Amino acid sequence: EPEVTQTPSHQVTQMGQEVILRCVPISNHLYFYWYRQILGQKVEFLVSFYNNEISEKSEIFDDQFSVERPDGSNFTLKIRSTKLEDSAMYFCASRRERSPASNEQFFGPGTRLTVL
Amino acid sequence: AQKVTQAQTEISVVEKEDVTLDCVYETRDTTYYLFWYKQPPSGELVFLIRRNSFDEQNEISGRYSWNFQKSTSSFNFTITASQVVDSAVYFCALSEDTGNQFYFGTGTSLTVIP
Repeated sequence: EPEVTQTPSHQVTQMGQEVILRCVPISNHLYFYWYRQILGQKVEFLVSFYNNEISEKSEIFDDQFSVERPDGSNFTLKIRSTKLEDSAMYFCASRRERSPASNEQFFGPGTRLTVL
Repeated sequence: AQKVTQAQTEISVVEKEDVTLDCVYETRDTTYYLFWYKQPPSGELVFLIRRNSFDEQNEISGRYSWNFQKSTSSFNFTITASQVVDSAVYFCALSEDTGNQFYFGTGTSLTVIP
């Protein structure tokens, strides 16, 4: 069964460093998402991406964040200068079509980011 | 305002007991979708169910059942004869037809005691 994959499963970085979290969405999916879950809290929407551009973003997704689909398979989230409060689980998700009526939004297993 | 409210932060039950997890949502859309996800200690999000706003029929899947009540904007989840493997955090989520993202509740941590 096709699935969303994410690498690495756990990333440890120093405050101020740049990190890139990688996701491989399901191959025929067109809509891509990043969500964040701070430990013990709810899952929060960061950004959605379609047709090589951001379609929606939350107020959490400020200038330190960027997303990219560098090739036909990867979807990345870059955090330019990490802060302690960026420590969280980051989930990638993908969907074939926009409407949830037509199909699921599949979540990856997450990348746990720890900023020291 | 919270779009999805899960008022129960933590619940503990003894194995084989039934347990109901509450979810109340808020939306102005007439078309929307509700979801339940399970998050075990390993951290991944496991899809359990999707329900659209036009289908109020309750659903049963093995020990799991869901009660969707539009009149009270609730989408509650019941586990019958709970097992230790059910211990996890359960999230209710809403997706509106006019939007693109999921709105998650704060989750309910369920502990099933053997």
